[in-house]
Amino acid sequence: GAVVSQHPSRVICKSGTSVKIECRSLDFQATTMFWYRQFPKKSLMLMATSNEGSKATYEQGVEKDKFLINHASLTLSTLTVTSAHPEDSSFYICSASEQMNTEAFFGQGTRLTVV
Amino acid sequence: QKEVEQNSGPLSVPEGAIASLNCTYSDRGSQSFFWYRQYSGKSPELIMFIYSNGDKEDGRFTAQLNKASQYVSLLIRDSQPSDSATYLCAVRAGGGSNYKLTFGKGTLLTVNP
Repeated sequence: GAVVSQHPSRVICKSGTSVKIECRSLDFQATTMFWYRQFPKKSLMLMATSNEGSKATYEQGVEKDKFLINHASLTLSTLTVTSAHPEDSSFYICSASEQMNTEAFFGQGTRLTVV
Repeated sequence: QKEVEQNSGPLSVPEGAIASLNCTYSDRGSQSFFWYRQYSGKSPELIMFIYSNGDKEDGRFTAQLNKASQYVSLLIRDSQPSDSATYLCAVRAGGGSNYKLTFGKGTLLTVNP
């Protein structure tokens, strides 16, 4: 399958700071990238859909000013958690599709801990 | 509200047995169906996808789709302890802005040696 690389895999930050997570498609061009959040023993919750060159589409209840998404190229999307708080601690996962209607491959995930 | 339902389990099978994982979905417009495996603390890994009614086989895995019944399943033959994981069913409606996946909550499978 295609390779999606997510970085960093783990990050610990202080409350009030911002954290940037990168998602790269290594062997294909990703028209669409998706950002998910997963709390322990819960399923994946879609946060936003990111399309290259356009603004991200956020799911209901997700603060677009807190979770900034940039998809500047066909191989890179970034999620920035701004002014992070302990309740933002979670497992953040990106996925990417070569085309909108093809299978999505997941990055390794980023475990964010806000202290 | 588009929903994807899975039995949360845990589903426990002995090594070598067939594990059967089931999933139902509410949106009749769904066009693509995916099974992912997720080990604890890791991100999901794509196992199979199926678009057409019927069976699709890949090694020890068989996906079955019945659009009339809005039902998709995953069979794992000759189950191994390494298959122990949470299996996520995902459905995509397709078309327009609906290319996002809707996930079920997952079924925890335990394969006992």
